[in-house]
Amino acid sequence: YVLTQPPSVSVAPGQTARITCGGNNIVSKSVHWYQQKPRQAPVLVVYDDADRPSGIPERFSGSNSGNTATLTISRVEAGDEADYYCHVWDTTSVFGGGTKLTVL
Amino acid sequence: QVQLVESGGGVVQPGRSLRLSCAASGFAFSIYPMHWVRQAPGKGLEWVGVISYDGNNKDYADSVKGRFTISRDNSKNTLYLQLNSLRPGDTAIYYCARSSTGYTTSWFYPFDFWGQGTVVTVSS
Repeated sequence: YVLTQPPSVSVAPGQTARITCGGNNIVSKSVHWYQQKPRQAPVLVVYDDADRPSGIPERFSGSNSGNTATLTISRVEAGDEADYYCHVWDTTSVFGGGTKLTVL
Repeated sequence: QVQLVESGGGVVQPGRSLRLSCAASGFAFSIYPMHWVRQAPGKGLEWVGVISYDGNNKDYADSVKGRFTISRDNSKNTLYLQLNSLRPGDTAIYYCARSSTGYTTSWFYPFDFWGQGTVVTVSS
């Protein structure tokens, strides 16, 4: 199973960033998203398509439909600049290739 | 608070072995499946393998099957990764990560806590 993410997304502060994760009938799977800042470990920001762990701002949200899952970050801040990875379980654990979010 | 601290990384020659450890604290380690995930320099995340909460079940990525072995000592709250027959392509940061749901024989859940990683470099 292959997950496809755009290599990069750029957005101005205060705007909305949308990071996509494509996979065959991905709607049938639970999608999780991780944020990884430089030289830090990944952090879970969205799980089961649209739920947020405690401590994650409401600005982070997720959706999943058809062949595409989306991580949406509203009111983007400079501190959101990071790599973002989607993740699903198929017969094995699968990560997307990652998307670098740049805040202009 | 949940803490995962990896150790044991280093520089090793191709074909040699290494054992990584992950010391857990701040939660009931013995009830959670635990994973290893690695990240090659400048690359994305790659799942390595998983061990059930009781150590009786394991699964591995095809890329490491037969070379790497995961184990755990619940009395010491410690997870291990034995790396044998190392190759240059195994060079990476190795993270341990907790499966988000305990008290289950399944491990098909997100990884809710990660360690800071330990670096393994395979080079002659």
